[in-house]
Amino acid sequence: EVQLVESGGGLAQPGGSLRLSCATSGLTFTTYAMNWVRQAPGKGLEWLAYVSSSGTNRYYADSVRGRFTISKDDAKDSLILQMNRLRAEDTAVYYCAIIPYFWGQGTLVTVSS
Amino acid sequence: EIVLTQSPGTLSLSPGESATLSCRASESVSISSLAWYQQKPGHTPRLLIYGASNRATDIPDRFSGSGSGTDFTLTINRLEPEDFAVYYCQQYGSSPPMYTFGQGTRLEI
Repeated sequence: EVQLVESGGGLAQPGGSLRLSCATSGLTFTTYAMNWVRQAPGKGLEWLAYVSSSGTNRYYADSVRGRFTISKDDAKDSLILQMNRLRAEDTAVYYCAIIPYFWGQGTLVTVSS
Repeated sequence: EIVLTQSPGTLSLSPGESATLSCRASESVSISSLAWYQQKPGHTPRLLIYGASNRATDIPDRFSGSGSGTDFTLTINRLEPEDFAVYYCQQYGSSPPMYTFGQGTRLEI
């Protein structure tokens, strides 16, 4: 059974940083491209970032480009999202996903002073 | 970036009726890489349809997807009480891979 489990969410101050992780199991991690998606409270789904199976190619939504970095840790079968220069509007539940097939349960990030 | 526009924003129906949800893309979606999800409050999106018309595992045949190019439809027949939720479409075939979502359709009783 494929499982994706996010961690690392919590409270951060505006301008601060957080690092999210997504631990995977039940799949050959190095063969899958992966994504981060978020959902602000009461809002729709927003695709954020993509990393290719090799980890070489990365793409970002305009809203996070230059502030967030997606990466893969093949040694730990984990996906990472490094979030810098956080803003209040980054407050959301963050999901890792192998689009469209597998999703994690999400981790809540709150950006507030 | 491909923009997906879902309509209607809200659909009010009763159990037993049929629902037709639309998703229109600003440009052609390649290889019918179009998915539909169902989401209930506090829950992860649940994949219903992938490849525009393929039901995901354990999805009842009351759910069906159709369309190609820029126009896609999710049809739900014989609505059950548990079907009332928010539905999103997503394209995942663009190059570069920027996998946009529609804004969602709320299906309410």
